[in-house]
Amino acid sequence: DIVMTQSPDSLAVSLGERATINCKSSQSVLFSSNNKDYLAWYQQKPGQPPKLLIYWTSIRASGVPDRFSGSGSGTDFTLTISSLQAEDVAVYYCLQYYSAPNTFGQGTKLEIK
Amino acid sequence: DVQLVESGGGLVQPGGSLRLSCVASGFTFATYTMNWVRQAPGKGLEWISYISGSRDPDTVYYVDSVKGRFTISRDNAKNSLYLQMNSLRAEDTAVYYCARRSKIPGLVDYGIDVWGQGTTVTVSS
Repeated sequence: DIVMTQSPDSLAVSLGERATINCKSSQSVLFSSNNKDYLAWYQQKPGQPPKLLIYWTSIRASGVPDRFSGSGSGTDFTLTISSLQAEDVAVYYCLQYYSAPNTFGQGTKLEIK
Repeated sequence: DVQLVESGGGLVQPGGSLRLSCVASGFTFATYTMNWVRQAPGKGLEWISYISGSRDPDTVYYVDSVKGRFTISRDNAKNSLYLQMNSLRAEDTAVYYCARRSKIPGLVDYGIDVWGQGTTVTVSS
């Protein structure tokens, strides 16, 4: 199974500042036939299901603000929030959907400093 | 609107059984691979099972921790997904989410893009 490891486990950032969350996979999640990394990012607020933010490493899902961006390749990936807003307080998860079982990172809790 | 609504959760004793249901609406259910993902109290997300849609080869898959105890199934005529859970253990206590895998073969793969609100399973004596 592919193990996904996020860092840090928690993060406190001031409003308007940049937040960066990292995700590392134990194996490549690159699908060679289309050269896409099968890596997604989710936001989960208390009492709610996860919400898809980013798929294929860097493509924002419909309706996701452009302050959210994804980058990386191979085994190292990053979610960046360029200017933190109060509504971005949540737990963020990466997911590899390259192979079964799909696996999530352990989550990163993002708070306001 | 695209929607997934789970039901069937509750309190069950260790060793007991429970059947979760998920009713889909707003999309062509039969064509989508469907998943169950769970979240233990205060913990992270754990993907546990999927069943393929009509555009893919017939496939079911389980994470090792539920293999042999849980069975995923679907009834496309009823737009419904199920999870039969047997031999339940305390560590199966979680919110169980029904979730859609969305892809257009050869074009795009969004991963898991739609989630239900979840149904809570508590295994305790």
